[in-house]
Amino acid sequence: DIQMTQSPSSLSASVGNRVTITCRASQDISNSLAWYQLKPGKAPKLLIYATSTLQSGVPSRFSGSRSGTDFTLTISSLQPEDVATYYCHKYNVVPLTFGGGTKVEIK
Amino acid sequence: QVQLVESGGGVVQPGGSLRLSCAASGFTFSSYGMHWVRQAPGKELEWVSFLRFDGSNKNYADSVKGRFTISRDNSKNTLFLQMNSLRVEDTAVYYCAKDLDWQLLVFDYWGQGTLVTVSS
Repeated sequence: DIQMTQSPSSLSASVGNRVTITCRASQDISNSLAWYQLKPGKAPKLLIYATSTLQSGVPSRFSGSRSGTDFTLTISSLQPEDVATYYCHKYNVVPLTFGGGTKVEIK
Repeated sequence: QVQLVESGGGVVQPGGSLRLSCAASGFTFSSYGMHWVRQAPGKELEWVSFLRFDGSNKNYADSVKGRFTISRDNSKNTLFLQMNSLRVEDTAVYYCAKDLDWQLLVFDYWGQGTLVTVSS
């Protein structure tokens, strides 16, 4: 099975700062990578799919990119409402797998 | 708007069974693939199962294969997960999720989850 290694596991940044989260796939997954935002007590939210396609309604400060088997989620200007845990998800073939998650907090 | 509401969770002893349901509304249920995803306490997300829009293709994670069965009733806009031979390690919040397309394998809407606790 393809493994997704996500880093860092947690981070703390100031409001307005740029935040970067990375996922590395153990094999080529083409552009079959999505990002989700999880907040306690709320339904998880799809942010990005196909590496860089922003889901409808998601603020433009979120973006995704790829370099080989390394995928990046960037929040260009961190906002208080972005406090959450973020997960990458590869979906080229089953089994579908997630990264270990990144908890984002405000400094 | 899209709504997914899970039910059927609870406390069950190891070896027991539970049937989860997911009531869907706000979209044409019969046109989309559906998934179950779970998250054990303090752990990462884990995909459990997928069912194609017409029920013709099912996939399972190895950890639940042979014990869990996914199904759907398109006439009632409802997704099910029959869980048998439950183990302590199946303890998790179980989410129902809608596929972005008929079989893209991306989850564009999720429910709020139902908690399953397997404990003696």
